[in-house]
Amino acid sequence: AQTVTQSQPEMSVQEAETVTLSCTYDTSESDYYLFWYKQPPSRQMILVIRQEAYKQQNATENRFSVNFQKAAKSFSLKISDSQLGDAAMYFCAYRSTYRGGAQKLVFGQGTRLTINP
Amino acid sequence: EADIYQTPRYLVIGTGKKITLECSQTMGHDKMYWYQQDPGMELHLIHYSYGVNSTEKGDLSSESTVSRIRTEHFPLTLESARPSHTSQYLCASSGGTGPNQPQHFGDGTRLSIL
Repeated sequence: AQTVTQSQPEMSVQEAETVTLSCTYDTSESDYYLFWYKQPPSRQMILVIRQEAYKQQNATENRFSVNFQKAAKSFSLKISDSQLGDAAMYFCAYRSTYRGGAQKLVFGQGTRLTINP
Repeated sequence: EADIYQTPRYLVIGTGKKITLECSQTMGHDKMYWYQQDPGMELHLIHYSYGVNSTEKGDLSSESTVSRIRTEHFPLTLESARPSHTSQYLCASSGGTGPNQPQHFGDGTRLSIL
């Protein structure tokens, strides 16, 4: 079974600075998808960024980018120019590329990100 | 924003009551999910559905039950609530056939059993 580990329960960063959230995973599969989700306090969980394992190029969405190291099974999220609205719980998630079934997500424990003004 | 709705947002109720948490989506998604999440903790899948009349238990054992009579509706029921059921319950859905399709989440229901 796949597992996802986020070793940083809490992180903080000064507004406008850059922060990196760590995520490692364990799988025997060669192709899969990885996701970062953001859960603001008392608000809806939303997708931040996704990466397919067979693509070597790191995904980027505006101020959010990932550092995907397949051999190391590492998938970190970098947030540049941090804004107060980035404060949230961030969850790393894994999904198999198997097209049948429920396409379940396996979540990490989450990292609570605080932005200091 | 995704069109997936959960009601109620908050519920405080006494032990032994029957509870139904509602989840509806207007995107026509075939797959729906229920997660249990304690405050500040990870999400645990408790139920999922491939489509109408299909439901499966998730990775975390739960005393709750679900039904999927209509594509858009995936309610979760607790027949007799207990304090151990106090938690946040998140509903999600996804569509399409590819595994790259993200899950869309509702706002969640914060359940407190006295």
